[in-house]
Amino acid sequence: GALVYQYPRRTICKSGTSMRMECQAVGFQATSVAWYRQSPQKTFELIALSTVNSAIKYEQNFTQEKFPISHPNLSFSSMTVLNAYLEDRGLYLCGAGTGGHSYEQYFGPGTRLTVL
Amino acid sequence: AQSVTQPDARVTVSEGASLQLRCKYSYSGTPYLFWYVQYPRQGLQLLLKYYSGDPVVQGVNGFEAEFSKSNSSFHLRKASVHWSDSAVYFCVLSALNTNKVVFGTGTRLQVLP
Repeated sequence: GALVYQYPRRTICKSGTSMRMECQAVGFQATSVAWYRQSPQKTFELIALSTVNSAIKYEQNFTQEKFPISHPNLSFSSMTVLNAYLEDRGLYLCGAGTGGHSYEQYFGPGTRLTVL
Repeated sequence: AQSVTQPDARVTVSEGASLQLRCKYSYSGTPYLFWYVQYPRQGLQLLLKYYSGDPVVQGVNGFEAEFSKSNSSFHLRKASVHWSDSAVYFCVLSALNTNKVVFGTGTRLQVLP
């Protein structure tokens, strides 16, 4: 079956430092990878969507300068939170999709970021 | 632009009672709809999904949902809830034309023993 792994599951960083998180798709080819953030007591906001052979598209309020993303192949993606501050804390979710007629994203368990 | 609305931020029911969690969507194309559950401090688990065909779809743990194109809705139901169903439930829309997934705001379900 299709599985998505995320590393690390939990991480703590000091304010002003950076933190890299990874997403790995197993059992399918992730032609698209989306990164989401769930801030405390809120829903999931799309940060950016990376599709093979297309530029990474960031949503309003999120920038490449703050959340650089790499999607080098069909099974792996990483995102870094640069210069993290308190408002960056939350659960970061990776959703990997195969595209096609019935588009569905498979979600990883998330990386929970705490900023001190 | 596509959107998903879950009008009830919190729902409280007694164990054994029936449940309906509401979801309304806005999308001009063919919607692909999902319900996910998030248990405390965990990621998302897929309950069920709808692509086409029978508007009533069955999911895990006795959950089902009914798609209504005329009402732009995809409500989640369960005949008899258990205390372990207490969690946050998200209604999600997949927009094929943009490859984007849009989350509702979530409904926090509390089941009283």
